[in-house]
Amino acid sequence: KAGVTQTPRYLIKTRGQQVTLSCSPISGHRSVSWYQQTPGQGLQFLFEYFSETQRNKGNFPGRFSGRQFSNSRSEMNVSTLELGDSALYLCASSSLAGVQETQYFGPGTRLLVL
Amino acid sequence: DQQVKQNSPSLSVQEGRISILNCDYTNSMFDYFLWYKKYPAEGPTFLISISSIKDKNEDGRFTVFLNKSAKHLSLHIVPSQPGDSAVYFCAAKANAGGTSYGKLTFGQGTILTVHP
Repeated sequence: KAGVTQTPRYLIKTRGQQVTLSCSPISGHRSVSWYQQTPGQGLQFLFEYFSETQRNKGNFPGRFSGRQFSNSRSEMNVSTLELGDSALYLCASSSLAGVQETQYFGPGTRLLVL
Repeated sequence: DQQVKQNSPSLSVQEGRISILNCDYTNSMFDYFLWYKKYPAEGPTFLISISSIKDKNEDGRFTVFLNKSAKHLSLHIVPSQPGDSAVYFCAAKANAGGTSYGKLTFGQGTILTVHP
């Protein structure tokens, strides 16, 4: 099975712009979660989607949003970019949305905000 | 409030010896724990997991131990190999009436270096 794929892998934007990142989960997986990794804050949960519904959301401002499509692919959007949004954005998928489901991560999208 | 803590930022071991990585947690609602290995600028790779109903899970060279009363888990790698050099994260999931779906809480990571 192919793993989780994320596009693009690298992105450079300027402050005030908006960005959309894409994630394709492992085939058959219906749950997609997003995480942000920064040197200062580590790996932090953004949100999780299951069957096109947001099931859970982390402590991030409303500038961070996401959605999931009927084929389970997911996108996350960050509007009005700030320098502090520079990070590695990771997507993870699992087959169900249960508690004891292992999440498998994609390679990430490295976002640099100038 | 850091609910998952890896108190050792780094660990250095000799090839062939045992590596022991530790993780402590504070949230008693956590009941599923995972270990991931990560290289810079890559996504975490799943290694092994353990449910709170168990105290040990083994997969090849990797064994995870869970001590619920102490809210402590550890990852043992035996024997350690230079290719194991990476950052190791422990992560936890809570069962809070289904409201914690998909949310992993991560520790800050431990850099493991295995010397030949």
